[in-house]
Amino acid sequence: KAGVTQTPRYLIKTRGQQVTLSCSPISGHRSVSWYQQTPGQGLQFLFEYFSETQRNKGNFPGRFSGRQFSNSRSEMNVSTLELGDSALYLCASSLPWDLQETQYFGPGTRLLVL
Amino acid sequence: GQQLNQSPQSMFIQEGEDVSMNCTSSSIFNTWLWYKQDPGEGPVLLIALYKAGELTSNGRLTAQFGITRKDSFLNISASIPSDVGIYFCAGQPHGAGGTSYGKLTFGQGTILTVHP
Repeated sequence: KAGVTQTPRYLIKTRGQQVTLSCSPISGHRSVSWYQQTPGQGLQFLFEYFSETQRNKGNFPGRFSGRQFSNSRSEMNVSTLELGDSALYLCASSLPWDLQETQYFGPGTRLLVL
Repeated sequence: GQQLNQSPQSMFIQEGEDVSMNCTSSSIFNTWLWYKQDPGEGPVLLIALYKAGELTSNGRLTAQFGITRKDSFLNISASIPSDVGIYFCAGQPHGAGGTSYGKLTFGQGTILTVHP
């Protein structure tokens, strides 16, 4: 079974621009979570989607948004990029049968904001 | 911010040695997960624990879900050079409701270096 895929793998943007990252979950997985990883803050939860609905959101500004499509693929968008948004953005998918969710991560998208 | 305290922060060991790392939390978790991350890649799931007291092995790896639901440890036996990487513990918060969905809380990571 193919794993979680994320595109693109690397991205360079300048301040003020916006960016869209894509995530395709493992086949059959319907829950997708997004995380930001930085050396200073570690792995921080952004949001989770299930059945095209955002069920949970972390403590990030409104510039960070996401959506999920009917095929469970998800995108996240960051508008008005800031230097501090440079990070590895990770997507994880899971079977949302109950709260014991085992998440499987993709390889991430490395975003550099100049 | 993160709520899990993972220790040690780094370890330098000789090939063949055993390794132990642990995570503690002030909160109860439903699930404990252990991941390994190589540079520039996403975390790879090593072991998942779902019940308090559960002890699970995966090859040379053994992990346990603490009885209090507030801690977990990971042991690696007979380390080899390819064990090098960053190991993360992660917990799924206890309780139902929107604040738990899809949200894992991560430890700070343990950087493991194995000398041949």
